[in-house]
Amino acid sequence: NAGVMQNPRHLVRRRGQEARLRCSPMKGHSHVYWYRQLPEEGLKFMVYLQKENIIDESGMPKERFSAEFPKEGPSILRIQQVVRGDSAAYFCASSPGAPGEAFFGQGTRLTVV
Amino acid sequence: KQEVTQIPAALSVPEGENLVLNCSFTDSAIYNLQWFRQDPGKGLTSLLLIQSSQREQTSGRLNASLDKSSGRSTLYIAASQPGDSATYLCAVARSNDYKLSFGAGTTVTVRA
Repeated sequence: NAGVMQNPRHLVRRRGQEARLRCSPMKGHSHVYWYRQLPEEGLKFMVYLQKENIIDESGMPKERFSAEFPKEGPSILRIQQVVRGDSAAYFCASSPGAPGEAFFGQGTRLTVV
Repeated sequence: KQEVTQIPAALSVPEGENLVLNCSFTDSAIYNLQWFRQDPGKGLTSLLLIQSSQREQTSGRLNASLDKSSGRSTLYIAASQPGDSATYLCAVARSNDYKLSFGAGTTVTVRA
């Protein structure tokens, strides 16, 4: 059973470009969570999704950030018009139920230049 | 709002010594508590999960205790090895939601 798969592992974007981060949960897991780890800070919750539904996006910045988890395919975290402050590690986690044991991916490290 | 604190922030020990990592949380209404390991530039590896009804969990050289009433958990690592060098994170899931609240971590260095 493959773990949580995130891609790309590293992403470099220029200011103003769009960043798309992908997350495929573990097989059988229908709950996906995104967390952000800013340099020298702890992980912070961003959004919780189930298939085709956003359950809680209270941790998402109000502008430029969006997330989806379609019926088919991976969950996508989309950041429009990136700024330097978006540079961080973005982690996806999945669980078979909520709250349950969370399994994390390797993360996507976004660098905005 | 759940606040999770980990003490100490960093720890350096000689190989073979036992490690004691502390985690405290402000809201005792938790569903479970997880300990994770994070290596530099890598993802999070789940080490132990303790349900709120449990007092401890063990896996190999690792043992984690939970005292919900006092808002504390301790991770013990016996007979430390250089390969145990990493950052250890404590995360709490509250009873009324599914979000994990993380501590800032304890960075452990085991000297050969």
